[in-house]
Amino acid sequence: KAGVTQTPRYLIKTRGQQVTLSCSPISGHRSVSWYQQTPGQGLQFLFEYFSETQRNKGNFPGRFSGRQFSNSRSEMNVSTLELGDSALYLCASSPSNRGHGYTFGSGTRLTVV
Amino acid sequence: AQKVTQAQTEISVVEKEDVTLDCVYETRDTTYYLFWYKQPPSGELVFLIRRNSFDEQNEISGRYSWNFQKSTSSFNFTITASQVVDSAVYFCALILNQAGTALIFGKGTTLSVSS
Repeated sequence: KAGVTQTPRYLIKTRGQQVTLSCSPISGHRSVSWYQQTPGQGLQFLFEYFSETQRNKGNFPGRFSGRQFSNSRSEMNVSTLELGDSALYLCASSPSNRGHGYTFGSGTRLTVV
Repeated sequence: AQKVTQAQTEISVVEKEDVTLDCVYETRDTTYYLFWYKQPPSGELVFLIRRNSFDEQNEISGRYSWNFQKSTSSFNFTITASQVVDSAVYFCALILNQAGTALIFGKGTTLSVSS
């Protein structure tokens, strides 16, 4: 079956702009989580959505937001981009129970200039 | 609070050597899950193994093996007869079995296998 699909793979944006990243989970998976990966901070949790509701949120400013649609696809948005937002953004899907584990996509590499 | 420590930042070995990647975790909860992921240069995190806190059996999958010891809060990963294709960053992660929690990752260990 198809894996987790993230689009686009690469993005270059200018400071102050906003960006929207997309994630399509594995068919049947209802949980989608987002992580930010940077060389300095490593992998950090952004938020998790389950059945269109935000179930959990990490310690990130309000500029970072997300949503999930009825087909479980998810988007995350970053407004007023800062240079420090440059990172690999990874999406993970899971059936529902965290014990099932998480399948990650290839990520979107965002560069803010 | 929960924490995962991977003390080895980088490891370099020659092909066919065995290598062990260390992972130490901290949590006061009794029910949790541990994971290992591999991240090749392409960026995707590839799932390797999941362990729940009640299952301390060691596991072997081909050249990979995992040693889970609750007494030392460790979940170490050994690659036997390493190959160049094993070169990647490996992450250990922990998640509690309760609502409102997320995967907590270690900083990762970069493994370089040369021929």
